[in-house]
Amino acid sequence: SAVISQKPSRDICQRGTSLTIQCQVDSQVTMMFWYRQQPGQSLTLIATANQGSEATYESGFVIDKFPISRPNLTFSTLTVSNMSPEDSSIYLCSVSPGEAGGEQFFGPGTRLTVL
Amino acid sequence: AQSVTQLDSQVPVFEEAPVELRCNYSSSVSVYLFWYVQYPNQGLQLLLKYLSGSTLVESINGFEAEFNKSQTSFHLRKPSVHISDTAEYFCAVTPWGYGGSQGNLIFGKGTKLSVKP
Repeated sequence: SAVISQKPSRDICQRGTSLTIQCQVDSQVTMMFWYRQQPGQSLTLIATANQGSEATYESGFVIDKFPISRPNLTFSTLTVSNMSPEDSSIYLCSVSPGEAGGEQFFGPGTRLTVL
Repeated sequence: AQSVTQLDSQVPVFEEAPVELRCNYSSSVSVYLFWYVQYPNQGLQLLLKYLSGSTLVESINGFEAEFNKSQTSFHLRKPSVHISDTAEYFCAVTPWGYGGSQGNLIFGKGTKLSVKP
């Protein structure tokens, strides 16, 4: 398994501002994922982040709103830009070790509230 | 495309009672199946997974799930629950054809299990 940390654990932000969330893994992994969990909802994949290439975004998510960096095999950031109250969610990063089985290991999440 | 349906949003049970959390999925390709658990104010943890082989899989804390291909189900069961099992449980699938371990996880909406003394 992998140990994943996220910063910040929670934040309260004003609309129109941006927040960058950091995800750190204790081992090198090829693929990292960013999910959003809106209040009372399930997890929805925002994008897949591979080191050395552009992130791949799911339908309904765009790079201008959720820019992602992946500078190395243990770290990634997700920025939530020009925030509105609808962006209030828990944002989680996860990693796939690449072994057969498809399981992913999740970070503790960042709880974002936009006023 | 894949989808996951968890039929019960909330399941209240008394301690030491049995419980079943239902999960059905839809997919045009073969999938791996997972149950994740999210304890209050914590992140998601993998509870168990089905990849192939025996259709009954077990976790270390007494939960089990059975893959039923004909009914496209992967229900989670425990014969006797504890208060510490109170959590939200998510069923998820990832399609083989999407690269296996590199694929997208599709989650159900979750079932909140509340165990009362």
